[in-house]
Amino acid sequence: EVQVVESGGGMVEPGGSLRLSCAASGFTFSNAWMTWVRQAPGKGLEWVGLIKRKIDGETTDYAAPLESRVTISRDDSKNMVYLQLNSLITEDTAIYYCAAGLGATQVDHWGQGTLVTVSP
Amino acid sequence: EIVMTQTPLSSSVTLGQPASISCRSSQSLTDSDGNTYLNWLHQRPGQPPRLLIYKISKRFSGVPDRFSGSGAGTDFTLKISRVEADDVGVYYCMQGTQFVTFGGGTKVEIK
Repeated sequence: EVQVVESGGGMVEPGGSLRLSCAASGFTFSNAWMTWVRQAPGKGLEWVGLIKRKIDGETTDYAAPLESRVTISRDDSKNMVYLQLNSLITEDTAIYYCAAGLGATQVDHWGQGTLVTVSP
Repeated sequence: EIVMTQTPLSSSVTLGQPASISCRSSQSLTDSDGNTYLNWLHQRPGQPPRLLIYKISKRFSGVPDRFSGSGAGTDFTLKISRVEADDVGVYYCMQGTQFVTFGGGTKVEIK
């Protein structure tokens, strides 16, 4: 069974940084594109970015509004993907979802999400 | 950035009746490889989204055949042939042709 589990959420002060982790299992991780999507309270889905698999160059794409503050990385030996977001503002408050793309789309399978609250 | 626009914003449907959601993209979603990366997702209250339909009309694993997708170019439609109680929530279209963008969502509730 495909499983994607996010961790690392919590309360962060404005100006701080967050590093979220996503643990994957139940599929060949090295074959997956891994995507981060966030959802502010009561709002819709916002794409954060993705990291491709090694055979596709392990390159990253980021949403333009976040590009200067975000870094996505992966460790195929641990079946893990990470999201680093710097210079946090209150508008970064959201549930952050990790999703695995296994061939249909970039977001075939989703985790339950982890809540990040940016507050003084 | 490709902008995705969904209509209606919300829909109240009688159980057993059909429902339809439209999605329009600001530019064609047909990729240079000939594929059109238009997908539909469903998010129940308090749950993460789940993939329903990919590449316009292909049902993802486990998705009942009550759900169907159609369209081409910039105009797409998700149809539910007979709405069930489990279908409530928000439906999102998503394009994966040029990076990723989501529509604003359509909330479906039971009348």
